[in-house]
Amino acid sequence: AQKITQTQPGMFVQEKEAVTLDCTYDTSDQSYGLFWYKQPSSGEMIFLIYQGSYDEQNATEGRYSLNFQKARKSANLVISASQLGDSAMYFCAMREGDFGNEKLTFGTGTRLTIIP
Amino acid sequence: DVKVTQSSRYLVKRTGEKVFLECVQDMDHENMFWYRQDPGLGLRLIYFSYDVKMKEKGDIPEGYSVSREKKERFSLILESASTNQTSMYLCASSLRDRSEAFFGQGTRLTVV
Repeated sequence: AQKITQTQPGMFVQEKEAVTLDCTYDTSDQSYGLFWYKQPSSGEMIFLIYQGSYDEQNATEGRYSLNFQKARKSANLVISASQLGDSAMYFCAMREGDFGNEKLTFGTGTRLTIIP
Repeated sequence: DVKVTQSSRYLVKRTGEKVFLECVQDMDHENMFWYRQDPGLGLRLIYFSYDVKMKEKGDIPEGYSVSREKKERFSLILESASTNQTSMYLCASSLRDRSEAFFGQGTRLTVV
């Protein structure tokens, strides 16, 4: 079974609009971490935002926020006021497992294209 | 500035060759990971290591092995390269907690 599911292979969004990228996860661990990474066409992996499973507040980093719904096992990334430079692949990821021996698993990604 | 360095950006090897992909990090991280990235499949975990000489299989370990003799270095080995191992390979490292992983620039391997 997929640990991380990203159901949107591609999205097109008008510049300055907000965008939500979906991510659902599957784990039986009580303690885990959720991440979002951005991969521009240059290929580098850029860390965007992190949410711990025990964090009560949704994580925010500038224009990025993570809409964490634990009961639904959902960790959607919200980008406010999108910019042309936001065009990239976006990956959701999860760390789970015993402390110190933690697996880091990624989803299949969403290709976001911002239209001027 | 944190750094994860992969030994080659591009590599072309012949079928049946033994291939070594090297990854070095300078952040004193305990955890290191190897992924392959293919279009439509995202990043798939091959192996990871949480300590020197320790290794754990990821989701697609078949056809690969790893070596971690020193904390800063994590090597991915293709014992007998095959064309279906043509891919982008990404190495990452992180601290031994829930913190983010840092990635290398990737190695695009072509097996002919």
